[in-house]
Amino acid sequence: EVQLVESGGGLVQPGGSLRLSCAASGFTFSSYEMNWVRQAPGKGLEWVSYISSSGSTIYYADSVKGRFTISRDNAKNSLYLQMNSLRAEDTAVYYCARVCPYYDSSGYYAYDAFDIWGQGTMVTVSS
Amino acid sequence: DIQMTQSPSSLSASVGDRVTITCRASQSISSYLNWYQQKPGKAPKLLIYAASSLQSGVPSRFSGSGSGTDFTLTISSLQPEDFATYYCQQSYSTPPIFTFGPGTKVDIK
Repeated sequence: EVQLVESGGGLVQPGGSLRLSCAASGFTFSSYEMNWVRQAPGKGLEWVSYISSSGSTIYYADSVKGRFTISRDNAKNSLYLQMNSLRAEDTAVYYCARVCPYYDSSGYYAYDAFDIWGQGTMVTVSS
Repeated sequence: DIQMTQSPSSLSASVGDRVTITCRASQSISSYLNWYQQKPGKAPKLLIYAASSLQSGVPSRFSGSGSGTDFTLTISSLQPEDFATYYCQQSYSTPPIFTFGPGTKVDIK
């Protein structure tokens, strides 16, 4: 079964750090780009960060740039999110999501969508 | 950055109703538009990719249309399991910044 399982969430004080993990199974993890997406309580989805299949290309949302670091270990089929200098506004459920490539009518790679999601892990930043 | 809006923000409908949700991008995104369904306490689920392509396993009552800046998600005959929040997402940006719309909550009338 294709699956993503997040872990590492919890309660942390403002200014603290936390490391989230996402364990992949049932597919060739090293072949897929990955993302972190978060959702604050009662709010919508916010894209957080992207990493290419090799880990060589990384992007962040402006709201976390300079504080969060995405990484992956393809040998361990795992994705990570190191979160530093945490703020109250970082309180959210954090999801990892796989990017699935889709092809146009000519057979060329054309589109991306998040086809597999983990169940989420809750991060609460509070004193 | 590309901004996404959705309308309405919420709607009430009955089982069997035809439901249409609109998503608008702040600039042309061609067909780089995805739709997701999220139920309370659950992860989002991909419904439609590339504006109009149905994800494998998704019922055919869901359909998507549009290109450029204006897109729609249609549920042809609303079923009890379709009461949820629906999000659009653009995948046009380079570098990849996968902006989501604010969501549309569909609840029972």
